[in-house]
Amino acid sequence: AQSVTQLGSHVSVSEGALVLLRCNYSSSVPPYLFWYVQYPNQGLQLLLKYTTGATLVKGINGFEAEFKKSETSFHLTKPSAHMSDAAEYFCAVRPLIKAAGNKLTFGGGTRVLVKP
Amino acid sequence: SQTIHQWPATLVQPVGSPLSLECTVEGTSNPNLYWYRQAAGRGLQLLFYSVGIGQISSEVPQNLSASRPQDRQFILSSKKLLLSDSGFYLCGMDRPSSEQFFGPGTRLTVL
Repeated sequence: AQSVTQLGSHVSVSEGALVLLRCNYSSSVPPYLFWYVQYPNQGLQLLLKYTTGATLVKGINGFEAEFKKSETSFHLTKPSAHMSDAAEYFCAVRPLIKAAGNKLTFGGGTRVLVKP
Repeated sequence: SQTIHQWPATLVQPVGSPLSLECTVEGTSNPNLYWYRQAAGRGLQLLFYSVGIGQISSEVPQNLSASRPQDRQFILSSKKLLLSDSGFYLCGMDRPSSEQFFGPGTRLTVL
């Protein structure tokens, strides 16, 4: 079974500072990897994903993430935080092999607070 | 383009009352569909998924049920709501490009 761990349920950063959100997964084979963002009372929006190829993935809003197979990690970063980055972020994985349902496994989420 | 509609957007219901939340999708056919719940301060919990009409898989035993009467309609129901059913309910759909796409959600408050 797959599992996803996001270190830190809450992260506080200053505007203009680096944003680093950690995600580690447990899987027998490298899965597809995703980061989603959720603004209050809204659905989840895809930030970026890793399927195959280049391990450094760039997403929307200046975010990027790097897949490190040896560390089973997919940490999310943004060089300079903006007030609009305040939201909850979810890391998710799904199997490479498309079983019935193709289910995602989500981490517990990290809520980001941006201080002016 | 693909779109997910969820209805209603917000709902306040008394304990013991029935529930029906609707998810409809556009721009695709025969999608895999999912119901998730976010309780306050908790992550996303997968409740049900469906790979086709009449095909429902339940992930956790609970007070809820799901149905898929049409290809692009997915309904979440309850006969008697509990306080613990309060939360934010999200409908999701698989995209061919591997990710899931989510609707805007329904905020349910059970009093």
